[in-house]
Amino acid sequence: GESVGLHLPTLSVQEGDNSIINCAYSNSASDYFIWYKQESGKGPQFIIDIRSNMDKRQGQRVTVLLNKTVKHLSLQIAATQPGDSAVYFCAENTRIAGTALIFGKGTTLSVSS
Amino acid sequence: DAMVIQNPRYQVTQFGKPVTLSCSQTLNHNVMYWYQQKSSQAPKLLFHYYDKDFNNEADTPDNFQSRRPNTSFCFLDIRSPGLGDAAMYLCATSRDTSQNTQYFGPGTRLTVL
Repeated sequence: GESVGLHLPTLSVQEGDNSIINCAYSNSASDYFIWYKQESGKGPQFIIDIRSNMDKRQGQRVTVLLNKTVKHLSLQIAATQPGDSAVYFCAENTRIAGTALIFGKGTTLSVSS
Repeated sequence: DAMVIQNPRYQVTQFGKPVTLSCSQTLNHNVMYWYQQKSSQAPKLLFHYYDKDFNNEADTPDNFQSRRPNTSFCFLDIRSPGLGDAAMYLCATSRDTSQNTQYFGPGTRLTVL
């Protein structure tokens, strides 16, 4: 598996496996985090978000984990499907009005049947 | 139902010929953003409007301008497109700027000949 804070630009998994995509954020003042999925030729699509007062949040087949101590965010996808193949971006934001959403480097997830 | 709409989806222009990209939203959000995204990179924020207040990013070239005539519409004007401006241009909206999810449109793919 990936080390904390290590960003991998690509991740290849088999259909049915669980996927873990990691993201290290930089701003200690960031208190809101979002994961986006971007398929080829399309705009980013919201997957799940988490606020800094939480360390885990679950959605349908997805779980986001937040470790503020090491400024690390992860997205777990259960039972990965070919339709999950895309580029995944994490993004961070603060409660300071007017600050921009900061995108991390994307991870390309490839799911093979 | 489409919430953030971008037109056209594909735009071809000539070097130096002005071009305008369009974005509209049905979410009645206060904030509208324009991003530039080049291949294999994260979206890069160009500027955003909070209502009628324009907020330019420090490193956005003067060649890029924007207009927001009303809540629903926002335009990106590229006054003299260069070859380096070929990219995907993404429009996004959010209710507010802090701790708010941004919803993206499908993007406009700009080609400069």
